[in-house]
Amino acid sequence: DGGITQSPKYLFRKEGQNVTLSCEQNLNHDAMYWYRQDPGQGLRLIYYSQIVNDFQKGDIAEGYSVSREKKESFPLTVTSAQKNPTAFYLCASSIVPDRAKNIQYFGAGTRLSVL
Amino acid sequence: GESVGLHLPTLSVQEGDNSIINCAYSNSASDYFIWYKQESGKGPQFIIDIRSNMDKRQGQRVTVLLNKTVKHLSLQIAATQPGDSAVYFCAEIPGGTSYGKLTFGQGTILTVHP
Repeated sequence: DGGITQSPKYLFRKEGQNVTLSCEQNLNHDAMYWYRQDPGQGLRLIYYSQIVNDFQKGDIAEGYSVSREKKESFPLTVTSAQKNPTAFYLCASSIVPDRAKNIQYFGAGTRLSVL
Repeated sequence: GESVGLHLPTLSVQEGDNSIINCAYSNSASDYFIWYKQESGKGPQFIIDIRSNMDKRQGQRVTVLLNKTVKHLSLQIAATQPGDSAVYFCAEIPGGTSYGKLTFGQGTILTVHP
């Protein structure tokens, strides 16, 4: 998984609970991303960060929050406002957020289920 | 098991055959494309990329073809092996974005029979 570590591999959320998914990379990449993957669909962008202490909403940011206090870390919190959180969550990083050549490398994912 | 892939296009081939996976994109201004492979329960893995100023690019056992006229991308896998069984995604960088935001296709399930 190219130096990107996601934890835990499986996570269960109770109704009304916030949960945080961890993503750490040791690739010295500037940009990091969070995607959600549902059955029968491609990856959808939740949040992205081009640099430390800065992040932007993606296409489906509602009910999620992130922080980027360190270059290596980009945790994702699934809040109680996210009414359908069951999905496979993927974290990715790229060397620079440059559009010219943005190969994103992915972690192994976290599968979140609702109890 | 991993439920990714329900209702996705599927391609079944015999081991040793060549595989062709297709992808249509909608944004004529997209100028960079990537193919990813995702095995069950894992994150996507980079296979090959191509810029819009190219029509073809070859890697190890894989070739990507880009037809900008009809906005079509294909991934050819030579001598397909059982280990190639996975979901394959194409991704593009749409035109007009200020940074490399990728838009992913729905994916195609490739099954290789021994």
